[in-house]
Amino acid sequence: DAMVIQNPRYQVTQFGKPVTLSCSQTLNHNVMYWYQQKSSQAPKLLFHYYDKDFNNEADTPDNFQSRRPNTSFCFLDIRSPGLGDAAMYLCATSRDAGETQYFGPGTRLLVL
Amino acid sequence: AQSVTQPDIHITVSEGASLELRCNYSYGATPYLFWYVQSPGQGLQLLLKYFSGDTLVQGIKGFEAEFKRSQSSFNLRKPSVHWSDAAEYFCAVDTTSGTYKYIFGTGTRLKVLA
Repeated sequence: DAMVIQNPRYQVTQFGKPVTLSCSQTLNHNVMYWYQQKSSQAPKLLFHYYDKDFNNEADTPDNFQSRRPNTSFCFLDIRSPGLGDAAMYLCATSRDAGETQYFGPGTRLLVL
Repeated sequence: AQSVTQPDIHITVSEGASLELRCNYSYGATPYLFWYVQSPGQGLQLLLKYFSGDTLVQGIKGFEAEFKRSQSSFNLRKPSVHWSDAAEYFCAVDTTSGTYKYIFGTGTRLKVLA
Protein backbone atom coordinates (compact mmCIF):
# COMPACT_ATOMS: atom_id res chain seq x y z
CA ASP A 1 0.00 0.00 0.00
CA ALA A 2 1.14 3.52 -0.77
CA MET A 3 1.89 5.29 2.45
CA VAL A 4 3.79 7.82 4.55
CA ILE A 5 6.39 6.32 6.86
CA GLN A 6 8.11 8.03 9.76
CA ASN A 7 11.17 6.83 11.61
CA PRO A 8 11.74 6.46 14.41
CA ARG A 9 8.35 6.33 16.09
CA TYR A 10 9.89 7.41 19.38
CA GLN A 11 13.04 9.46 19.82
CA VAL A 12 14.73 10.45 23.03
CA THR A 13 17.41 13.10 22.92
CA GLN A 14 19.29 15.26 25.36
CA PHE A 15 18.90 18.97 25.76
CA GLY A 16 20.98 20.65 23.06
CA LYS A 17 21.89 17.43 21.22
CA PRO A 18 21.00 17.58 17.50
CA VAL A 19 18.36 15.16 16.32
CA THR A 20 17.03 14.16 12.90
CA LEU A 21 13.61 12.77 12.17
CA SER A 22 12.87 10.96 8.93
CA CYS A 23 9.87 10.76 6.64
CA SER A 24 9.44 8.78 3.46
CA GLN A 25 6.53 8.35 1.08
CA THR A 26 5.56 5.92 -1.63
CA LEU A 27 2.77 8.15 -2.96
CA ASN A 28 5.05 10.10 -5.29
CA HIS A 29 3.49 13.33 -4.06
CA ASN A 30 4.95 16.71 -4.86
CA VAL A 31 4.39 18.32 -1.48
CA MET A 32 5.77 17.21 1.87
CA TYR A 33 4.94 18.90 5.17
CA TRP A 34 6.28 18.86 8.71
CA TYR A 35 3.96 19.61 11.60
CA GLN A 36 4.61 19.93 15.31
CA GLN A 37 1.83 18.80 17.62
CA LYS A 38 1.96 19.38 21.34
CA SER A 39 -0.28 17.59 23.78
CA SER A 40 -3.99 18.32 23.31
CA GLN A 41 -3.30 20.84 20.55
CA ALA A 42 -3.86 20.98 16.83
CA PRO A 43 -0.93 20.27 14.52
CA LYS A 44 1.13 23.36 13.73
CA LEU A 45 2.75 23.62 10.32
CA LEU A 46 6.51 24.19 10.52
CA PHE A 47 7.37 24.15 6.81
CA HIS A 48 6.74 22.36 3.56
CA TYR A 49 8.47 21.45 0.33
CA TYR A 50 6.88 21.71 -3.06
CA ASP A 51 9.24 19.47 -4.97
CA LYS A 52 12.60 21.03 -4.08
CA ASP A 53 11.21 24.44 -3.15
CA PHE A 54 11.37 25.00 0.59
CA ASN A 55 8.71 27.12 2.30
CA ASN A 56 9.20 28.08 5.91
CA GLU A 57 6.36 29.31 8.12
CA ALA A 58 7.07 32.76 9.49
CA ASP A 59 6.94 31.66 13.11
CA THR A 60 9.04 28.51 12.79
CA PRO A 61 12.15 28.86 14.97
CA ASP A 62 15.55 28.82 13.28
CA ASN A 63 16.37 25.79 15.38
CA PHE A 64 14.24 23.74 12.99
CA GLN A 65 15.62 22.88 9.56
CA SER A 66 14.57 20.51 6.84
CA ARG A 67 16.07 18.65 3.90
CA ARG A 68 14.46 16.92 0.99
CA PRO A 69 17.14 15.04 -0.97
CA ASN A 70 14.66 13.42 -3.36
CA THR A 71 10.91 13.05 -3.95
CA SER A 72 10.53 10.21 -1.48
CA PHE A 73 12.39 11.46 1.56
CA CYS A 74 12.21 14.47 3.82
CA PHE A 75 14.10 15.10 7.06
CA LEU A 76 13.47 17.35 10.02
CA ASP A 77 16.60 18.51 11.82
CA ILE A 78 16.41 20.08 15.25
CA ARG A 79 19.78 21.68 15.82
CA SER A 80 19.63 22.26 19.55
CA PRO A 81 16.52 20.75 21.07
CA GLY A 82 15.06 22.46 24.08
CA LEU A 83 12.58 21.08 26.57
CA GLY A 84 9.85 23.00 24.75
CA ASP A 85 10.51 21.04 21.58
CA ALA A 86 9.20 17.83 23.09
CA ALA A 87 6.19 17.01 20.94
CA MET A 88 4.76 14.74 18.28
CA TYR A 89 6.18 15.52 14.85
CA LEU A 90 3.94 14.66 11.94
CA CYS A 91 4.92 14.35 8.32
CA ALA A 92 2.27 14.70 5.63
CA THR A 93 2.19 14.66 1.85
CA SER A 94 -0.16 15.91 -0.84
CA ARG A 95 -0.12 15.66 -4.60
CA ASP A 96 -0.50 19.41 -4.97
CA ALA A 97 -1.76 22.50 -3.20
CA GLY A 98 -5.39 22.26 -2.21
CA GLU A 99 -5.34 18.50 -2.29
CA THR A 100 -5.78 16.04 0.49
CA GLN A 101 -2.90 15.69 2.92
CA TYR A 102 -1.96 12.19 4.00
CA PHE A 103 -0.26 11.88 7.35
CA GLY A 104 2.34 9.51 8.70
CA PRO A 105 2.06 7.93 12.15
CA GLY A 106 4.27 10.56 13.74
CA THR A 107 7.48 10.60 15.77
CA ARG A 108 7.17 11.30 19.48
CA LEU A 109 10.21 13.32 20.61
CA LEU A 110 11.26 13.43 24.22
CA VAL A 111 13.95 15.88 25.34
CA LEU A 112 15.76 15.12 28.58
CA ALA B 1 -8.77 36.13 9.31
CA GLN B 2 -9.52 32.58 8.37
CA SER B 3 -10.33 30.31 11.28
CA VAL B 4 -11.84 26.98 12.20
CA THR B 5 -13.83 26.50 15.38
CA GLN B 6 -14.66 23.24 17.05
CA PRO B 7 -16.81 24.39 19.96
CA ASP B 8 -16.73 21.13 21.89
CA ILE B 9 -13.38 20.28 23.45
CA HIS B 10 -14.67 17.05 24.99
CA ILE B 11 -17.72 14.94 24.16
CA THR B 12 -18.84 11.79 25.95
CA VAL B 13 -21.39 9.43 24.45
CA SER B 14 -22.57 5.95 25.23
CA GLU B 15 -21.75 3.14 22.86
CA GLY B 16 -24.54 2.79 20.32
CA ALA B 17 -25.65 6.40 20.67
CA SER B 18 -25.54 8.86 17.80
CA LEU B 19 -22.78 11.43 17.50
CA GLU B 20 -22.43 14.89 16.04
CA LEU B 21 -19.20 16.87 16.18
CA ARG B 22 -19.42 20.50 15.22
CA CYS B 23 -17.12 22.48 12.97
CA ASN B 24 -17.53 26.08 11.86
CA TYR B 25 -15.19 27.99 9.62
CA SER B 26 -14.61 31.58 8.74
CA TYR B 27 -13.62 32.19 5.14
CA GLY B 28 -14.90 34.38 2.35
CA ALA B 29 -15.38 31.62 -0.18
CA THR B 30 -16.10 27.91 0.00
CA PRO B 31 -13.00 26.14 1.18
CA TYR B 32 -12.05 22.52 0.94
CA LEU B 33 -13.12 20.79 4.15
CA PHE B 34 -11.73 17.76 5.92
CA TRP B 35 -12.26 15.65 9.00
CA TYR B 36 -9.37 13.68 10.46
CA VAL B 37 -9.27 11.28 13.40
CA GLN B 38 -6.27 10.76 15.66
CA SER B 39 -6.01 7.84 18.04
CA PRO B 40 -3.65 8.26 21.01
CA GLY B 41 -0.02 8.32 19.93
CA GLN B 42 -0.92 7.99 16.26
CA GLY B 43 -0.94 10.19 13.18
CA LEU B 44 -4.01 11.70 11.57
CA GLN B 45 -6.27 9.52 9.46
CA LEU B 46 -8.56 11.08 6.88
CA LEU B 47 -12.22 10.33 7.56
CA LEU B 48 -13.78 12.32 4.74
CA LYS B 49 -13.47 15.46 2.65
CA TYR B 50 -15.62 17.94 0.80
CA PHE B 51 -14.45 19.74 -2.30
CA SER B 52 -17.67 20.42 -4.20
CA GLY B 53 -20.92 18.80 -5.26
CA ASP B 54 -23.21 16.85 -2.97
CA THR B 55 -23.15 18.53 0.41
CA LEU B 56 -23.60 15.24 2.29
CA VAL B 57 -20.30 13.39 2.24
CA GLN B 58 -19.77 9.78 3.21
CA GLY B 59 -16.52 8.70 4.79
CA ILE B 60 -14.84 5.70 6.31
CA LYS B 61 -15.87 3.91 9.49
CA GLY B 62 -19.54 4.87 9.03
CA PHE B 63 -18.99 8.62 9.36
CA GLU B 64 -20.68 11.28 7.29
CA ALA B 65 -20.54 15.06 7.24
CA GLU B 66 -22.80 17.74 5.87
CA PHE B 67 -21.59 21.03 4.42
CA LYS B 68 -23.96 23.91 5.07
CA ARG B 69 -22.86 27.03 3.28
CA SER B 70 -25.40 29.27 5.00
CA GLN B 71 -24.07 28.27 8.41
CA SER B 72 -20.39 27.95 7.42
CA SER B 73 -20.46 24.54 9.02
CA PHE B 74 -19.21 21.05 8.29
CA ASN B 75 -20.49 18.84 11.08
CA LEU B 76 -19.45 15.22 11.43
CA ARG B 77 -22.03 12.57 12.30
CA LYS B 78 -22.27 8.90 13.05
CA PRO B 79 -25.56 7.14 13.76
CA SER B 80 -24.18 4.57 16.20
CA VAL B 81 -20.85 5.03 17.98
CA HIS B 82 -18.53 2.12 18.71
CA TRP B 83 -16.04 1.99 21.57
CA SER B 84 -13.22 2.05 19.01
CA ASP B 85 -14.32 5.53 17.89
CA ALA B 86 -12.84 7.03 21.05
CA ALA B 87 -10.18 9.40 19.71
CA GLU B 88 -9.53 13.04 18.90
CA TYR B 89 -11.24 14.50 15.87
CA PHE B 90 -9.90 17.46 13.91
CA CYS B 91 -11.72 19.55 11.38
CA ALA B 92 -9.47 21.23 8.82
CA VAL B 93 -9.95 23.76 6.09
CA ASP B 94 -7.85 24.37 3.01
CA THR B 95 -8.53 27.83 1.74
CA THR B 96 -7.78 26.78 -1.85
CA SER B 97 -5.66 29.82 -2.36
CA GLY B 98 -2.59 27.81 -3.18
CA THR B 99 -1.04 28.48 0.20
CA TYR B 100 -0.59 24.75 0.89
CA LYS B 101 -1.83 25.35 4.39
CA TYR B 102 -4.51 23.63 6.36
CA ILE B 103 -6.18 25.57 9.11
CA PHE B 104 -6.99 23.08 11.85
CA GLY B 105 -9.60 23.35 14.52
CA THR B 106 -8.48 22.73 18.08
CA GLY B 107 -9.95 19.25 18.09
CA THR B 108 -12.73 17.42 19.91
CA ARG B 109 -11.83 14.53 22.17
CA LEU B 110 -14.47 11.81 22.08
CA LYS B 111 -14.98 9.44 24.99
CA VAL B 112 -17.23 6.43 24.55
CA LEU B 113 -18.91 4.81 27.54
CA ALA B 114 -19.51 1.08 27.43
